[in-house]
Amino acid sequence: AQSVTQPDIHITVSEGASLELRCNYSYGATPYLFWYVQSPGQGLQLLLKYFSGDTLVQGIKGFEAEFKRSQSSFNLRKPSVHWSDAAEYFCAAYAPGNQFYFGTGTSLTVIP
Amino acid sequence: DGGITQSPKYLFRKEGQNVTLSCEQNLNHDAMYWYRQDPGQGLRLIYYSQIVNDFQKGDIAEGYSVSREKKESFPLTVTSAQKNPTAFYLCASSPLAGGPNRYNEQFFGPGTRLTVL
Repeated sequence: AQSVTQPDIHITVSEGASLELRCNYSYGATPYLFWYVQSPGQGLQLLLKYFSGDTLVQGIKGFEAEFKRSQSSFNLRKPSVHWSDAAEYFCAAYAPGNQFYFGTGTSLTVIP
Repeated sequence: DGGITQSPKYLFRKEGQNVTLSCEQNLNHDAMYWYRQDPGQGLRLIYYSQIVNDFQKGDIAEGYSVSREKKESFPLTVTSAQKNPTAFYLCASSPLAGGPNRYNEQFFGPGTRLTVL
């Protein structure tokens, strides 16, 4: 069965430190992959997406993600975290003919 | 500006009542979705629709109903049969998979928080 796993429920980083949020997927073939961000009480905003080609994709707000087929992973990274990055982050996957699957989310806290 | 609107932002329901959550989009998207979000459980699909007058159940459709009479509207009714309806509800839309954008990127509304009193 298809699934998306985010192993880290909660992460705390200091402002200015680097960030990596993990995402693993389980699909029959490589799905289309997405990262969304959600501020408290708000909807989800798309950060970036991967369909094919270059395995390092750039998104908004200085985020990037790297697709690694051998590890079935699509980890989100940011070189220097800002206090405004504190939010919930969701990884998602889609394969044609199937529904969208979301991970359970990773909550990010940024400390001064 | 194109986007998705959901109303109301907050909704309170008494036990035994049906309530309807509104979702409207002006993105000209064919597909629309309803998700339920509970802490620690991510997003779970309730219903989705790829075309007017047609919709399919998602993973947790019991106790919910939808209609799709217009392309831009996809209201969700939470019925009294839904035993634990308190949650945050998110509506989303996407261009039809297989069309010019076949990747099914989803766009989300701001959500409705439903609380049962």
